[in-house]
Amino acid sequence: RKEVEQDPGPFNVPEGATVAFNCTYSNSASQSFFWYRQDCRKEPKLLMSVYSSGNEDGRFTAQLNRASQYISLLIRDSKLSDSATYLCVVNRRGDYKLSFGAGTTVTVRA
Amino acid sequence: GAVVSQHPSWVICKSGTSVKIECRSLDFQATTMFWYRQFPKQSLMLMATSNEGSKATYEQGVEKDKFLINHASLTLSTLTVTSAHPEDSSFYICSAADRVNQPQHFGDGTRLSIL
Repeated sequence: RKEVEQDPGPFNVPEGATVAFNCTYSNSASQSFFWYRQDCRKEPKLLMSVYSSGNEDGRFTAQLNRASQYISLLIRDSKLSDSATYLCVVNRRGDYKLSFGAGTTVTVRA
Repeated sequence: GAVVSQHPSWVICKSGTSVKIECRSLDFQATTMFWYRQFPKQSLMLMATSNEGSKATYEQGVEKDKFLINHASLTLSTLTVTSAHPEDSSFYICSAADRVNQPQHFGDGTRLSIL
């Protein structure tokens, strides 16, 4: 079983729609959680960290469910520029090493 | 914020050439850096952990003699792909964090094409 699993999508949504997707992780020792965004042929860029109480950054909301070992990302009022692959990233307590999901592709159409 | 710089961004060279890629942390010291490889439509695959002042730790299946890593200072790690062949063509990315459990910052990536 992969350490981090994501629905690959693609999620094709119209502008202005809300899109949400999850990521599950297998290692209960995981401590830090992040969503990164990767555009085609570019390096990943940090979108947001995910905190236990859930957190919001503009149109983006992240949730963490430790009991069920999943995190989620919700994008409200989708923009064309939100089209990208969203990577779920997890690391273990006291460890620099990251575990990556394969990414969820989101395409926002006009 | 923390920035990681990677150079070069694009390399095209003949089979058999060795290629060196640099990864620098610009405004923080990084005792640990990571090297990844990404093939089209796939996720990042960790190749090795670069440790300042000591040997790199390679992931299973990654040849240490093929992918030489040197982390001679707290701000620079290099990856050398030795005697590169077409199957080594890929997108190579480094990352670093200034503290454990903090978000990692990625270099711009190096697109390597071996002819």
